[in-house]
Amino acid sequence: AQSVAQPEDQVNVAEGNPLTVKCTYSVSGNPYLFWYVQYPNRGLQFLLKYITGDNLVKGSYGFEAEFNKSQTSFHLKKPSALVSDSALYFCAVRDPGAGKSTFGDGTTLTVKP
Amino acid sequence: SQTIHQWPATLVQPVGSPLSLECTVEGTSNPNLYWYRQAAGRGLQLLFYSVGIGQISSEVPQNLSASRPQDRQFILSSKKLLLSDSGFYLCAWSVSNRGQPQHFGDGTRLSIL
Repeated sequence: AQSVAQPEDQVNVAEGNPLTVKCTYSVSGNPYLFWYVQYPNRGLQFLLKYITGDNLVKGSYGFEAEFNKSQTSFHLKKPSALVSDSALYFCAVRDPGAGKSTFGDGTTLTVKP
Repeated sequence: SQTIHQWPATLVQPVGSPLSLECTVEGTSNPNLYWYRQAAGRGLQLLFYSVGIGQISSEVPQNLSASRPQDRQFILSSKKLLLSDSGFYLCAWSVSNRGQPQHFGDGTRLSIL
């Protein structure tokens, strides 16, 4: 069985500061990991993914994520937050043998000017 | 490029009425298709997914059903809506390669009165 946890419902940061949104996962094999962002009344947008290779993955809008196999984590990061980054962020995991992904419950990121 | 269309954007229905939500994908063939429900701007609940025409996997027993009459068309239906069916319904597609992300439509906000 696969599962994913986003331990923080809410993350608040000041504009210009670095941000981290946490994600931990559980799968039986090597995971496929994804981050998505959702703005109000919109669908989810894909940000980045980890399949294999370099543990540091770079994605859209300056976001990156670090895959840590020993800690089973895939935290989303950005060196300098923008007010426009304020949104709901979802982590998702897929066991390569599974037919579907499992999404976390989401973390609301608020960036204050 | 690939696009996904979901309609209507908003829908208000009385309890006990039928439902039909439609989703179509353009620019790709033989996609995996998904229906999700999102309650109160939080986590996603996978309702149905399909890997091909006429192939539907149901994730949650309920009064909803899904059909895939054509390769790039996915329909969510109900014969009699319940108050608990209110929510934000999202359609998504992905290529069949499991390392690829899902791409979401902009959703239908369904309110049951």
